[in-house]
Amino acid sequence: QVRLQESGPALVKPSETLSLTCTVTGGSTSSNSHLWSWIRQAPGKGLEWIGVIYYTGNTFYNPSLKSRSVISADRPTNQVSLQLTSATAADTGVYYCARVVTGQNYFDPWGPGFLVTVSS
Amino acid sequence: DIQMTQSPSSVSASVGDRVTITCRASQGISSWLAWYQQKPGKAPTLLIYDASTLQSGVPSRFSGSGSGTYFTLTISSLQPEDFATYYCQQANSFPLTFGGGTKVEIK
Repeated sequence: QVRLQESGPALVKPSETLSLTCTVTGGSTSSNSHLWSWIRQAPGKGLEWIGVIYYTGNTFYNPSLKSRSVISADRPTNQVSLQLTSATAADTGVYYCARVVTGQNYFDPWGPGFLVTVSS
Repeated sequence: DIQMTQSPSSVSASVGDRVTITCRASQGISSWLAWYQQKPGKAPTLLIYDASTLQSGVPSRFSGSGSGTYFTLTISSLQPEDFATYYCQQANSFPLTFGGGTKVEIK
């Protein structure tokens, strides 16, 4: 059974880079059957898709975050990472990683989520 | 971007009630739609995909229908564990987008 776990600094200063890692167990980030995605949720708000990485390394991003986002994969460690540059208070929220079945664009399963606060 | 609009934003219901949530897409998405359930402090879980296919392990009291721009999620007989927030998501094209959510509360 695949499991995902997000991790990283819980507190980020404004203008700095928010960096998170998603560790995948029970599955492979190298598989061509699945993609890996990041989604976030501001406190008390809805869900916002950030982007996705294919097994080829190709990435697609939400245009609203594209200029500040980088998603990468480290195949040997089975990890997927997110970097969000120039963080502001508006980036505060819970960040989720999720698996996507190739050819579909549904998220299952999700990691438990990781709360990041952007504050000085 | 495809905008997803859910209604109502909240609904109060009792155990045993039938509850229907609607989701409209700003343009046609065929059947590329999913529904998720989110409980407080937890990650969302996939309930339905392809508009009407029940994810493995999801109780049969949940059902989805629709295509094109109009979709519904129905809970046929609300159970205590169903009180949560529900989101629709279009899977037709990037950027993937979610509805604003519908909170199902206890009456």
